[in-house]
Amino acid sequence: GAVVSQHPSRVICKSGTSVKIECRSLDFQATTMFWYRQFPKQSLMLMATSNEGSKATYEQGVEKDKFLINHASLTLSTLTVTSAHPEDSSFYICSTLLSTDTQYFGPGTRLTVL
Amino acid sequence: AQSVAQPEDQVNVAEGNPLTVKCTYSVSGNPYLFWYVQYPNRGLQFLLKYITGDNLVKGSYGFEAEFNKSQTSFHLKKPSALVSDSALYFCAVSGGGADGLTFGKGTHLIIQP
Repeated sequence: GAVVSQHPSRVICKSGTSVKIECRSLDFQATTMFWYRQFPKQSLMLMATSNEGSKATYEQGVEKDKFLINHASLTLSTLTVTSAHPEDSSFYICSTLLSTDTQYFGPGTRLTVL
Repeated sequence: AQSVAQPEDQVNVAEGNPLTVKCTYSVSGNPYLFWYVQYPNRGLQFLLKYITGDNLVKGSYGFEAEFNKSQTSFHLKKPSALVSDSALYFCAVSGGGADGLTFGKGTHLIIQP
């Protein structure tokens, strides 16, 4: 069964608003979670590494003030897209480390900014 | 910096025939290699991985992959393709541990009845 859930699965918002996406690990504790972004018909790009109880580590070129990551518990990481614009429209996918080296992915969240 | 190349945008195979999806990688140090499959509007499903040990690794749904260090390749294979194998396949690499994954661009696998 699924080990990672995301909510919502799909969200449409107006330009300038903020959107929060939740990523939950099911039945296990996840010290580390990852957030990826996938553009249509393209590959996944790592945005940031989310560490429980500490600040996230962002990849080069990812605006940390725009993509706020909070990992307040061992089962929940959230990604907030602040002041969203149409260019932020994308498929956002989180993952967790179930074992020491294998990531398991959530079902993804489709964000559309009008 | 690490990178992954999947040279084929699309691979077409007749049902029942063997399939191969190619992947080459570049990474400093020992590579942690993975294959994932994605169905439309879905997250990624783990298929298999190579960390160390036997160069031929077996994974889910009858898939296997062969690690070739000299050719820096990690091609995905299956002896007999099913129509249900049609999906988008991603090869990925990491430095291990809590490192994020670097993905290839993906290969559409189409199995024709």
